[in-house]
Amino acid sequence: GEDVEQSLFLSVREGDSSVINCTYTDSSSTYLYWYKQEPGAGLQLLTYIFSNMDMKQDQRLTVLLNKKDKHLSLRIADTQTGDSAIYFCAERNSGAGSYQLTFGKGTKLSVIP
Amino acid sequence: IAGITQAPTSQILAAGRRMTLRCTQDMRHNAMYWYRQDLGLGLRLIHYSNTAGTTGKGEVPDGYSVSRANTDDFPLTLASAVPSQTSVYFCASSDQSADTQYFGPGTRLTVL
Repeated sequence: GEDVEQSLFLSVREGDSSVINCTYTDSSSTYLYWYKQEPGAGLQLLTYIFSNMDMKQDQRLTVLLNKKDKHLSLRIADTQTGDSAIYFCAERNSGAGSYQLTFGKGTKLSVIP
Repeated sequence: IAGITQAPTSQILAAGRRMTLRCTQDMRHNAMYWYRQDLGLGLRLIHYSNTAGTTGKGEVPDGYSVSRANTDDFPLTLASAVPSQTSVYFCASSDQSADTQYFGPGTRLTVL
């Protein structure tokens, strides 16, 4: 079955870049996502990438996809204290008519002032 | 536009009681989902509905039931709550053309 793996914790200093990594197993995944969850809140979609792309950039966020290694990363440039949150990687499952996502367990990003 | 709303925000429930968590979306999305989030386990899919009138089981469906009488509402029912159902429950919706899922604010449920 599908599986998505992430490291559980990451700590960075304010102003540095953060890189959150994710690996997945479903080679037929069509879309891969990054969600952000702030304390006590729901999940907010940050960005997503289609599986035929290698990179997507959106302001301070850069997503890199290595489809051969099934590796996805999220880079946050100039990390701010407001970026402290849990970041979830997710893949969209293959299968006719299926819109389901499989989530990783989340990476808690702590930004040190 | 409200997006997705969930009610209640939080609830403390005695074991054995019946409870329905409500979820409503105003985006006319076809698909809706219920997840539970537990520390160290991430989000796990309980049930889903690809379109009004249809439902399906996710990864952890036991002890839960859902219905999808119309496009907007997707209630989740715990027929007889148990302490292991203590969790934060998130409802989500998606439209095929949007290719993304949008989440509600969550319901924190404690079963004693």
